[in-house]
Amino acid sequence: GAGVSQSPRYKVAKRGQDVALRCDPISGHVSLFWYQQALGQGPEFLTYFQNEAQLDKSGLPSDRFFAERPEGSVSTLKIQRTQQEDSAVYLCASSPVQGPTGELFFGEGSRLTVL
Amino acid sequence: AQTVTQSQPEMSVQEAETVTLSCTYDTSESDYYLFWYKQPPSRQMILVIRQEAYKQQNATENRFSVNFQKAAKSFSLKISDSQLGDAAMYFCACRMDSSYKLIFGSGTRLLVRP
Repeated sequence: GAGVSQSPRYKVAKRGQDVALRCDPISGHVSLFWYQQALGQGPEFLTYFQNEAQLDKSGLPSDRFFAERPEGSVSTLKIQRTQQEDSAVYLCASSPVQGPTGELFFGEGSRLTVL
Repeated sequence: AQTVTQSQPEMSVQEAETVTLSCTYDTSESDYYLFWYKQPPSRQMILVIRQEAYKQQNATENRFSVNFQKAAKSFSLKISDSQLGDAAMYFCACRMDSSYKLIFGSGTRLLVRP
C-alpha cells in the first residue's frame, strides 16, 4: 500500500491477556518506530528499528513489551499479560532514511483497551 | 532531558482568520529539528511543517508558518486563512541531531468556527 498500515485498528483485551499489534511500513523504508499515545497526551517513544536491528528499546515501559522486525519490513509489538495502564493508541511510523533527519510517516494506530 | 511544552490545551478560531499555537522546548543540544504535526480524528499524524535549528529563516508551507526564536526556545505555528479542515489536534515535537526519538508536547486542540 501507499502508506503505513497498522492492524488491528481496535483491540479489546482482558487484563492478563497477550496482544500482538502489527505494522506494515512503507515499502523500502529503513527506519521503523513505535510510539505509545495515552488518552489526551502526545505520543511517547517506545522503540526504533533500522532494518531488522532494534537499535533503541529504551522507551519500552516494562519487560512485558517486546518488539521485533525479523526481516526488516513488517514489525510486531507484543504486550504480554496486559494491564489497564497499557490502554493507549500504539502508533507506528517509518522513514526512508537512517538517522534523525528523515520525515516520519505515521500509520493510523492501533487502539488497545484493556478491561 | 529534552522536554516540549504546549501550554494551550485548546484554541478556537473563526474560519478565514489567523491563529497562533504556542510551543516551547528545552534542550542543551545545539543541533536539533522542530516539527508541527496535525492529528485528525483518524489518528494519523501528518507533518505540517519542520524547522532545522541551524536555519535562521522561519519555515513556511502555504498557509502555515512558524516563528522560531532559538534563544527563547520558542517555536509557534501560525495558521492563516483558517479552514474547517484545519480542525484537529496539533502537536509540537523536537528531535535532537544525536537521537532517533521525537519528543512530543501534549498537544493543542484547534477548533474552527464556521
